[in-house]
Amino acid sequence: GQQVMQIPQYQHVQEGEDFTTYCNSSTTLSNIQWYKQRPGGHPVFLIQLVKSGEVKKQKRLTFQFGEAKKNSSLHITATQTTDVGTYFCAADTGGFKTIFGAGTRLFVKA
Amino acid sequence: EAGVAQSPRYKIIEKRQSVAFWCNPISGHATLYWYQQILGQGPKLLIQFQNNGVVDDSQLPKDRFSAERLKGVDSTLKIQPAKLEDSAVYLCASSYGDSNSPLHFGNGTRLTVT
Repeated sequence: GQQVMQIPQYQHVQEGEDFTTYCNSSTTLSNIQWYKQRPGGHPVFLIQLVKSGEVKKQKRLTFQFGEAKKNSSLHITATQTTDVGTYFCAADTGGFKTIFGAGTRLFVKA
Repeated sequence: EAGVAQSPRYKIIEKRQSVAFWCNPISGHATLYWYQQILGQGPKLLIQFQNNGVVDDSQLPKDRFSAERLKGVDSTLKIQPAKLEDSAVYLCASSYGDSNSPLHFGNGTRLTVT
């Protein structure tokens, strides 16, 4: 079935370093959403990208949707300890069915 | 607005027992989802309702799992009989149901099967 592949599986960074996670699909996506899950918490919606080549920013977070609408990335500039958690991409595979990637777990060392 | 409500928060049962989880979505949200999240993995969609109809249940193990949303509002997910591999967090989410609507998740029910 439809899958979205997310890499890396986890990443350790020193506070202040940048972080990027990538999401890839073999098929064209209607849209892509990004969620953050803090340890012990539930996924919380961050943003949605709909248009080809779209770029959106939220403070230190930059989200991109590929030109072919098959991949996306989330970049965090100058990580902080509050950025710790797992970042998931989620894609609408058609029929309003939302499939989640496996997530990238971010560890930030102070 | 009030968030998605789920209960219980935690549940420990022995294998072959049955268990039920309850979810009350955000008011006005037509679509309700049940996801299973095994430790270290992403949420896996079990079943999706649009109002009180099933949109997708292709990943639901129907020999042991069942779900209903009789009045198009709250929902119940049942497992009978439970297996060890059912140990996971069961997340309920809701949305307005169009393709651009984000999902709002409840706090989940952490199930441990011993």
